[in-house]
Amino acid sequence: AQSVAQPEDQVNVAEGNPLTVKCTYSVSGNPYLFWYVQYPNRGLQFLLKYITGDNLVKGSYGFEAEFNKSQTSFHLKKPSALVSDSALYFCAVREFGAAGNKLTFGGGTRVLVKP
Amino acid sequence: SQTIHQWPATLVQPVGSPLSLECTVEGTSNPNLYWYRQAAGRGLQLLFYSVGIGQISSEVPQNLSASRPQDRQFILSSKKLLLSDSGFYLCAWSTPSVNTEAFFGQGTRLTVV
Repeated sequence: AQSVAQPEDQVNVAEGNPLTVKCTYSVSGNPYLFWYVQYPNRGLQFLLKYITGDNLVKGSYGFEAEFNKSQTSFHLKKPSALVSDSALYFCAVREFGAAGNKLTFGGGTRVLVKP
Repeated sequence: SQTIHQWPATLVQPVGSPLSLECTVEGTSNPNLYWYRQAAGRGLQLLFYSVGIGQISSEVPQNLSASRPQDRQFILSSKKLLLSDSGFYLCAWSTPSVNTEAFFGQGTRLTVV
């Protein structure tokens, strides 16, 4: 069965510093990986995805993620964090043939960017 | 463009009362539809998914049921709510392709009292 893990419940970073949110995955076939962000009492917003090709994926709001097959990781990064990046971030995996091609989410990482 | 609507935004219901949450998608056809529940602002648990009209699959046993009476309509129901049904419910849709992202509604905050 497919799964993702986000090992950090919370990440604290100062504004202007680089931000990294970690994610590791487990699938039996090719992984299709996604990052979402959630602001309080809102739905999830799609940031970026890895399907195939370049290991470095660029997404919305200056975020990027690096796919590493040997380490089964898909870490989210931003070179210079903003206070407005404070939110809950989810990594997700979709596996071909899984029930309904469903998205399986990690437990989420809360990001707090301090001014 | 495609849009997803989910309502109501908040709901307070007494224990033992029925529940009906509705989700509709516009601008696409034959979407995959999903109901997720988020407890305590953390991880998302998939409750139900549907790949077509009348086709519902349940991921976890619970006090809830789902129906898809029309192609772009997905309903989450309960005959008698429990306190443990409180949470943040999110509807989502995607194309059937595995390499596409899912799009989420704004969620319903359900409090059972």
